[in-house]
Amino acid sequence: GAGVSQSPRYKVAKRGQDVALRCDPISGHVSLFWYQQALGQGPEFLTYFQNEAQLDKSGLPSDRFFAERPEGSVSTLKIQRTQQEDSAVYLCASSAQSYNEQFFGPGTRLTVL
Amino acid sequence: AQTVTQSQPEMSVQEAETVTLSCTYDTSESDYYLFWYKQPPSRQMILVIRQEAYKQQNATENRFSVNFQKAAKSFSLKISDSQLGDAAMYFCAYRKLQGAQKLVFGQGTRLTINP
Repeated sequence: GAGVSQSPRYKVAKRGQDVALRCDPISGHVSLFWYQQALGQGPEFLTYFQNEAQLDKSGLPSDRFFAERPEGSVSTLKIQRTQQEDSAVYLCASSAQSYNEQFFGPGTRLTVL
Repeated sequence: AQTVTQSQPEMSVQEAETVTLSCTYDTSESDYYLFWYKQPPSRQMILVIRQEAYKQQNATENRFSVNFQKAAKSFSLKISDSQLGDAAMYFCAYRKLQGAQKLVFGQGTRLTINP
């Protein structure tokens, strides 16, 4: 079956632009996670959804970051007024339940110029 | 807060040899999960092996095995009979058993396989 997909795979934005990153989880997976991976670092947790409810957003670095999952399936991570320090790979993961194995997507590499 | 530390930024091994990647972690929890993930250049994070802290027996998956030392908060990964396809970034990760299900990752170790 299809795995987790993310789009776009690469995004270049000028500083100050808004961007939207999309995640399509594995069909039927209840839990969805977003992570940010800076160059040469391990992923860091951003936020977590169970169905459409955002249960943990403690990792979002600022109020410029916003995530949604309105129908409990596809999720969008939006970054407003992008800054250079937002440059990173954004990984999405889904799991059947929150305590099951997380399956990762290929990530979106965001470069802010 | 939980932390995970990988003290080896890079490791290399000859093909067919054995290599061990180190990981230490800090937590006040008594029950939790530990994982090793592989991230090849394609960036897709793949689960290699997982260990439940309440199990004393070390997990094994084919050529991959762990040495879990709970008291020392150490969780190393041993790769036997290394293959060229094992070349990747390897991340150690921690997850609570209850409550927040987010993964806490280490900084990663880049493994190179020499033919």
